[in-house]
Amino acid sequence: ELKVEQNPLFLSMQEGKNYTIYCNYSTTSDRLYWYRQDPGKSLESLFVLLSNGAVKQEGRLMASLDTKARLSTLHITAAVHDLSATYFCAVDINFGGSQGNLIFGKGTKLSVKP
Amino acid sequence: EAGVAQSPRYKIIEKRQSVAFWCNPISGHATLYWYQQILGQGPKLLIQFQNNGVVDDSQLPKDRFSAERLKGVDSTLKIQPAKLEDSAVYLCASSLELAGEGRKTQYFGPGTRLLVL
Repeated sequence: ELKVEQNPLFLSMQEGKNYTIYCNYSTTSDRLYWYRQDPGKSLESLFVLLSNGAVKQEGRLMASLDTKARLSTLHITAAVHDLSATYFCAVDINFGGSQGNLIFGKGTKLSVKP
Repeated sequence: EAGVAQSPRYKIIEKRQSVAFWCNPISGHATLYWYQQILGQGPKLLIQFQNNGVVDDSQLPKDRFSAERLKGVDSTLKIQPAKLEDSAVYLCASSLELAGEGRKTQYFGPGTRLLVL
């Protein structure tokens, strides 16, 4: 059974601090996504990681992918309150001949406090 | 460009009743997805359409759930009859993905929050 595990599931940070969210998955994949979800809102795409060693950065967020370890990380630098949200990783698998079947982790609820 | 539209945004029904959700994808997006997101969990794919054909419905509870995309644009998802455990947010997403080409980012709509009493 394919599993996508995120940790931590809950993260409370002080503004200005750094932290990393981890996403482990149990099958081979050539594409991994990070999404952000604000309370009561839909999912917003943050990053698409396409190959081993891929690294992408946007503002205070940086995502990386290690396909050999089946691990992706989302690093937060100098957190600010606006980053408070739930972050999901999703693994793209080729399931039963279809394309684009995303398997999501349970999400990491991030709260940044002043 | 306009995003993925969904309606209604909220729905409260009693168990054993029927309910339907509507989705209008981003213009030109060939692929449409319905997901179920239970509180505290990540979205789970229910069904995937490519144009008006079903690509993957392996996780759709077909005894009570049905979906269609008759003209390859809008889609409806129906639950009949609803159970308490169907309470969730139903998300529609679309992508530019075409057959034989690389997979593309999925763009999500605002979702429909369903509460079954």
